[in-house]
Amino acid sequence: SYDLTQPPSVSVSPGQTANITCSGEKLGDKYVSWYQQKPGQSPVLVIYDDEKRPSGIPVRFSGSNSGNTATLTLSGTQAVDAADYYCQAWDSTTAFYVFGTGTQVSVL
Amino acid sequence: EVQLLESGGGSVQSGGSLRLSCAATGFTFSSSAVSWVRQAPGKGLEWVSSIIGSGGDTNYADSVKGRFTVSRDNSKKTMYLQMNSLRADDTAVYYCVKEKRAVDTRLVRKYYFEYWGQGTLVTVSS
Repeated sequence: SYDLTQPPSVSVSPGQTANITCSGEKLGDKYVSWYQQKPGQSPVLVIYDDEKRPSGIPVRFSGSNSGNTATLTLSGTQAVDAADYYCQAWDSTTAFYVFGTGTQVSVL
Repeated sequence: EVQLLESGGGSVQSGGSLRLSCAATGFTFSSSAVSWVRQAPGKGLEWVSSIIGSGGDTNYADSVKGRFTVSRDNSKKTMYLQMNSLRADDTAVYYCVKEKRAVDTRLVRKYYFEYWGQGTLVTVSS
């Protein structure tokens, strides 16, 4: 099966930059999406097609994907960005959607 | 505005069955693939099943294959998940999700989850 690995947690100070990584074999050959989930809420799409932002998502959210690693970058992180973040790709071999293990972002 | 409203969750004993429904509004339901994604308490997201707009193609995670069946009624703009032989590890919040599917010029799939419902809780007791 295809696996996506994320760090369990990332801490960032308000106003600073947080980088959340997502690792998988030849991940750069696939398209990656990112979802934000706050406690008790449904996930929300924040990045799709590696780097595109849906309408309404702040510009401080950006994404990249190359080699074996995709990265979600939060620039000028705000307290409201504290949440769990999940990467996701589609595995063409199995035709399965795959989620990353999830990263809890703390803004301290 | 896209809305996805799940229903049918509840408590059931191990080995039992349950049917979830997802009522969709705000988009052309018959043209859209939709999925079920679940989240066990305190755990991460897990894709469960997908069905394309026509209903002619479905797919399942290995963990539910043979036990769960996804279907849709486009006249009612509703998707269903029939869950049989339920186990304790099926306990989770089940989300109905609208997919977005595209293919790039190299024929690489660009598939992701565009909109999520609020979820319905399924609890399986042993």
